Amino acid sequence: GDSVTQTEGQVTVSESKSLIINCTYSATSIAYPNLFWYVRYPGEGLQLLLKVITAGQKGSSRGFEATYNKETTSFHLQKASVQESDSAVYYCALNSNYQLIWGSGTKLIIKP
Amino acid sequence: DMKVTQMPRYLIKRMGENVLLECGQDMSHETMYWYRQDPGLGLQLIYISYDVDSNSEGDIPKGYRVSRKKREHFSLILDSAKTNQTSVYFCASSWTGGVQNTLYFGAGTRLSVL
Repeated sequence: GDSVTQTEGQVTVSESKSLIINCTYSATSIAYPNLFWYVRYPGEGLQLLLKVITAGQKGSSRGFEATYNKETTSFHLQKASVQESDSAVYYCALNSNYQLIWGSGTKLIIKP
Repeated sequence: DMKVTQMPRYLIKRMGENVLLECGQDMSHETMYWYRQDPGLGLQLIYISYDVDSNSEGDIPKGYRVSRKKREHFSLILDSAKTNQTSVYFCASSWTGGVQNTLYFGAGTRLSVL
């Protein structure tokens, strides 16, 4: 079946440094899935950060970027300079038939 | 204000007790979802509701049932809770048209079954 694998557990980054959270996918039921990043800030529900529906395209929001790479089946999340307010759990997902398939989430911790 | 509200936020129950998790949304979304998330796993879909009294099983419906009598309200019921149902439960809603539409989530209910 379809699956999403992302950087496991947590990532600690110093404030103002760059970030990359890896996401790779396997999509057998759909040739060109839509790809998503959701974010969950402390005490809040998940919210859409960005999505890309076309292979080769890049999505961006709040300083974060992710490029849909069909050749490497990847959708890594990057930010050039993180801030304390970016502390959250980040989830990669793809659409498969009638539902979303989710990665396990990556907790981002920002070091002052 | 676009909001999905889950109640309660934290719940401790004993094995065999009944559990009711409530979810409300103020966006008149047709579609609503219940997910659970366990450590190291992605969100797993329990049930999806396409509108009032139009519910479908997700990937892990066993041990759960749902009720949707009003568009804005979707309940998850555990009859005789089991310890392996200890988890974080998320409710979400979206416009009809498939999951390419944005899902709006509640803050989650952390359920412990002892």
